Amino acid sequence: SSELTQDPAVSVALGQTGRITCQGDSLRNYYASWYQQKPGQAPVLVIYGKTNRPSGIPDRFSGSSSGNTASLIITGAQAEDEADYYCNSRDSSGNHLVFGGGTKLTVL
Amino acid sequence: QVQLQESGPGLVKPSGTLSLTCAVSGGSISSSFWWSWVRQPPGKGLEWIGEIYHSGSTNYNPSLKSRVTISVDKSKNQFSLKLTSVTAADTAMYYCAREIAPQDNWFDPWGQGILVTVSS
Repeated sequence: SSELTQDPAVSVALGQTGRITCQGDSLRNYYASWYQQKPGQAPVLVIYGKTNRPSGIPDRFSGSSSGNTASLIITGAQAEDEADYYCNSRDSSGNHLVFGGGTKLTVL
Repeated sequence: QVQLQESGPGLVKPSGTLSLTCAVSGGSISSSFWWSWVRQPPGKGLEWIGEIYHSGSTNYNPSLKSRVTISVDKSKNQFSLKLTSVTAADTAMYYCAREIAPQDNWFDPWGQGILVTVSS
């Protein structure tokens, strides 16, 4: 079982705001990073640190964190944002890394 | 622009050893990053396997620690994964990734992945 918990599926209407959450005790001490994975492709980093975006990632992607919950927010979701999203952070010990179980985002 | 490329056998027999290599190009494996292996069984989520620093320091997923060895070859600018006593449950896409880990951590970039099937 993962120390980071994600909802298996989230849906968002085209052009609306979608939120994907990741819960875990370690998130009180560490920021989560977020990855987008489309079918048949390797994961791609979309958010790291507090709310940083790598170059090339649209600014409609942002991150937030409060207590034991990290969130990936997609403001104005596009059809191409439909994908699986994974959070990642250190575990409670700080010595190992762990991924959330993943969230399938559907853009309606 | 750093790029990573996995290589190795795509088919391993049960009870055998899975051996993969990740070649790093566009940058030095001796720079201040950790290097990780991550796997993904078909239709399932991502699982961190372990990480290595160029000094040879390693950390492994506790659930795999007894079977995993990650090593680095600085002369070839690559790092490797060995997983022993494999079963069908080890069938997965295996990815290597550069890990940036000042305090928090993140993986960027990733290799394209290599599918390893455990079957007789």
